[in-house]
Amino acid sequence: ETGVTQTPRHLVMGMTNKKSLKCEQHLGHNAMYWYKQSAKKPLELMFVYNFKEQTENNSVPSRFSPECPNSSHLFLHLHTLQPEDSALYLCASSPSDRPSGEQYFGPGTRLTVT
Amino acid sequence: QQQVKQSPQSLIVQKGGISIINCAYENTAFDYFPWYQQFPGKGPALLIAIRPDVSEKKEGRFTISFNKSAKQFSLHIMDSQPGDSATYFCAASIDSNSGYALNFGKGTSLLVTP
Repeated sequence: ETGVTQTPRHLVMGMTNKKSLKCEQHLGHNAMYWYKQSAKKPLELMFVYNFKEQTENNSVPSRFSPECPNSSHLFLHLHTLQPEDSALYLCASSPSDRPSGEQYFGPGTRLTVT
Repeated sequence: QQQVKQSPQSLIVQKGGISIINCAYENTAFDYFPWYQQFPGKGPALLIAIRPDVSEKKEGRFTISFNKSAKQFSLHIMDSQPGDSATYFCAASIDSNSGYALNFGKGTSLLVTP
């Protein structure tokens, strides 16, 4: 596979469930990102990892827990979510964590919290 | 506080017409301004980007116009085609800040009619 892949593509979970989103990039990039995309709102940066180290946590609630075991994989662990957390969660990667490093986005995971 | 304001929210243009999307920002430290294009079911993809040392950048049918004094920049799509129908996001960032990712506008949904 090429580019940035995300699994699952769709996820429905209850507020008491625990689930994980997975992202994998095949581009040899060093930086990876999680974004939240809600209707009528700007893309919201959640986390930035550069060389597996977290360099940005944009005041995200602790019910979202990222994990970056290596430069190619990124996870977002979810627990006790709220209905307002329903959104499209996008993963992206770039050569570095400099903003001008073009970010390549995956297709996203559409999350619905019931 | 939203750092980048984008308008209009939606736009309908006839095939062959010019599509214009505008963005404004407040932070004068921003020095990198990309535009991303997103098709349904896909993640955003970089379309074109500009730095404030130039007032215009053109790539094919896509042109960014940049007005540093007004803190505004816009995307012009010449000879718009139905295949250009997508959501467009402007963004701004401080490129020298590692780990400081992109501040996105809310997006413009463009529909080009045949």
